[in-house]
Order: sequence, then C-alpha cells, then structure tokens
Amino acid sequence: GNSVTQMEGPVTLSEEAFLTINCTYTATGYPSLFWYVQYPGEGLQLLLKATKADDKGSNKGFEATYRKETTSFHLEKGSVQVSDSAVYFCALPLSYNTDKLIFGTGTRLQVFP
Amino acid sequence: GAVVSQHPSRVICKSGTSVKIECRSLDFQATTMFWYRQFPKQSLMLMATSNEGSKATYEQGVEKDKFLINHASLTLSTLTVTSAHPEDSSFYICSATGGSNQPQHFGDGTRLSIL
Repeated sequence: GNSVTQMEGPVTLSEEAFLTINCTYTATGYPSLFWYVQYPGEGLQLLLKATKADDKGSNKGFEATYRKETTSFHLEKGSVQVSDSAVYFCALPLSYNTDKLIFGTGTRLQVFP
Repeated sequence: GAVVSQHPSRVICKSGTSVKIECRSLDFQATTMFWYRQFPKQSLMLMATSNEGSKATYEQGVEKDKFLINHASLTLSTLTVTSAHPEDSSFYICSATGGSNQPQHFGDGTRLSIL
C-alpha cells in the first residue's frame, strides 16, 4: 500500500514567520493528496487538497504543490498567525481504489506572538 | 457544506458501561463512514469502515464484538463501545465521504473516559 512520511514536530515559530512542513509519500499511480488540520480538542478539518500532479492546493494562506518528481506535498504559509497553532496531518489514500486514508504522524505547530 | 456532527463530544462513565457515539452527515449523503481512534499526541488509527446497509469492515486487531458499528442510513453511523474498560479511554473520531475520490469530512471527536 501507499505510505506517507511527515516531518516531526513540534515546529515553533514567531508570528509572521514562514512555515514549511515537509511531507513525502510513496504511492502507486497518482492519488489525491490532502492536508488536514486538528485544533486542540477537535476533530480534523480538511485544509487543502490536490488531485493530480502539479496541482496546487490552497486555503487560508496555506499552500501545497503536488510534486510527482520528488513525491512531495510540502505545506507552506508565508506568514503564520497564533491562531494557526494546531497539529497538521498529511494524508493520501491507503491504496489504489479505496476511500481509506493513511495519515502521517502529524506535526504540531506552535506560533508565539 | 460537508458538515459532520459527532455526539457526544465527551463521555465519562464507569467501567462496564456501554457507550454509543453518533456520527451524522448533516448536508450530504455519506456512502461511507470511517471510525478512528486517536491516542494522545499520535496520529489517527483507522478502526473500521462502514457502508450504509452492510456490515462494517474492521481493521486488523480491532475487536468487532467490542466496537459495534451500525450504519443505518446514508446520514448516520453509530459506534457502540460495549462493556467499556479504562483501556478503552481514548479520543474517537468519525469521518464521512460522499463517494469515491471525495475527501473525508470529520466530526469533532468524542473523548471517552472510563473510570
């Protein structure tokens, strides 16, 4: 099946700093790729997605580009805010033709004023 | 759009009690719902997949008699933790998808604490 590797956290940044959270994957074919965010005490929310190679997903100032050459889907934001403090999960389908997702281990982001 | 409601958000009960958790898709029909368990500071562990009108498919190592899943309609799935014990204490999260290649939409989770 597919797999995903996500950088370990925590990532600690000052407000307005640039954010990168690395995510690489191995997969058969070109599955959709997702970033989910989990705020404290809550479930996951879909942050952004990309469905094919070279697609860029974006939402709330976050971006991630589906790069098949490097099998990566790194999450970036140009200027983080305190309210972005959360845990971020990279995810993709477990295998071809399934709705099951496999999640990375999660990266905790802490942003300080 | 694509709202999933999970209830209750928190449960505290005595050992031996059975606890039911509901997962509802409020504005779409969920062909498939998933149940996850999350341990503190860890990723999500898929417990089972449920499709409306059929038996749930459990992941390896998950006791189906312990974690009963019912997917009675296209908008409701329930997880019942039977005869819960302290080791069942965890954060349980459901998700729902409207079809193949559609993203999963998650509920806010249920924190279960067994005393």
